[in-house]
Amino acid sequence: AQSVSQHNHHVILSEAASLELGCNYSYGGTVNLFWYVQYPGQHLQLLLKYFSGDPLVKGIKGFEAEFIKSKFSFNLRKPSVQWSDTAEYFCAVQGGSYIPTFGRGTSLIVHP
Amino acid sequence: DGGITQSPKYLFRKEGQNVTLSCEQNLNHDAMYWYRQDPGQGLRLIYYSQIVNDFQKGDIAEGYSVSREKKESFPLTVTSAQKNPTAFYLCASSSSGNHAEAFFGQGTRLTVV
Repeated sequence: AQSVSQHNHHVILSEAASLELGCNYSYGGTVNLFWYVQYPGQHLQLLLKYFSGDPLVKGIKGFEAEFIKSKFSFNLRKPSVQWSDTAEYFCAVQGGSYIPTFGRGTSLIVHP
Repeated sequence: DGGITQSPKYLFRKEGQNVTLSCEQNLNHDAMYWYRQDPGQGLRLIYYSQIVNDFQKGDIAEGYSVSREKKESFPLTVTSAQKNPTAFYLCASSSSGNHAEAFFGQGTRLTVV
């Protein structure tokens, strides 16, 4: 069975600070990896995804994530956060069944 | 405008009553999912369907039931057997196979009193 672990449950930053959210997964085979974001009052939407190829993937709004196979990790980064990045962030893994499994989420609050 | 529509947005029910949450998609997706979102617990899979007339239990199926009679529709019934039904319910869909991202509805917040 696949599982996802997000290490940071609550993160509070000031604008312009750098962000890194941890995500580790457990699965024995090839995986697809995703980060989704849920802005206040809005539906969950895709931030970025990794299927194969370059392990450094870029998403919307300046976010990027790096897949490190040896560490089973897919950490999300942004060099300089904005107040509008306040949201809940979910890491998800998709294994052989193609059913997405989500982590517990990280609540990010950015102070202006 | 393509997407997933969940209704209603807010739902109140008395304890012991069954309630059905609606989910409709016009994305022509084969796969549909129901997740439950609780604070600090992320999204947990209740049921999923990868094709019409077929569905499978997820991690927390007890006290829930679904049907998939049409490709566009995947209603979820929260039965009186569900011990803690108050939660935020999310419906999602995706195309079948590999590399498919999930698209989500706006969610239904169910409160049982």
